[in-house]
Amino acid sequence: AQTVTQSQPEMSVQEAETVTLSCTYDTSENNYYLFWYKQPPSRQMILVIRQEAYKQQNATENRFSVNFQKAAKSFSLKISDSQLGDTAMYFCAFRGGANSKLTFGKGITLSVRP
Amino acid sequence: NAGVTQTPKFRILKIGQSMTLQCAQDMNHNYMYWYRQDPGMGLKLIYYSVGAGITDKGEVPNGYNVSRSTTEDFPLRLELAAPSQTSVYFCASSYPGQGTYGYTFGSGTRLTVV
Repeated sequence: AQTVTQSQPEMSVQEAETVTLSCTYDTSENNYYLFWYKQPPSRQMILVIRQEAYKQQNATENRFSVNFQKAAKSFSLKISDSQLGDTAMYFCAFRGGANSKLTFGKGITLSVRP
Repeated sequence: NAGVTQTPKFRILKIGQSMTLQCAQDMNHNYMYWYRQDPGMGLKLIYYSVGAGITDKGEVPNGYNVSRSTTEDFPLRLELAAPSQTSVYFCASSYPGQGTYGYTFGSGTRLTVV
């Protein structure tokens, strides 16, 4: 079974600075997908960014980028130019190629300070 | 396009009562899921369905039941509610073969059992 580990329960960053959220996972599969979801106080789950394991290039979505290290099974999220609206809980998630179910980490609470 | 609709948004139940959490999607997604979110624990899969008439247990199915009579609807039934079922419940859906797109989530139901 796959596992997703987010070892930092919370982080804080100054507005306009850069922050990196860590995530590691364990799987025996070679083809899979990784995701970061954002959950603001509204409770809605919002997809931030996704990465296909077969792609070597790290995914980027505006201020959000990932550092995908397949051999190390690491998938960190970098948020540049942090904004107050980035304050939320962030979940790392794994989805196997032959298995449609998402496995989530425990999440990390990010606070952006003005 | 409504996406995934969950009702109710909030509910308080007394111990031993029963209720059904409703979930409907209008995207013609075959796959549907129920997760529960507890503080510091991430999201845990309760039940899932890969199509009408097909359901299967996830990681934490005890105390719950599901049915899938149509592609659109995937209700979650709580029988004999217990305080341990106090949680936030999320319904989600996805289309098979679209692993890169993660899930579409509903807005959640906050359930309190007293």
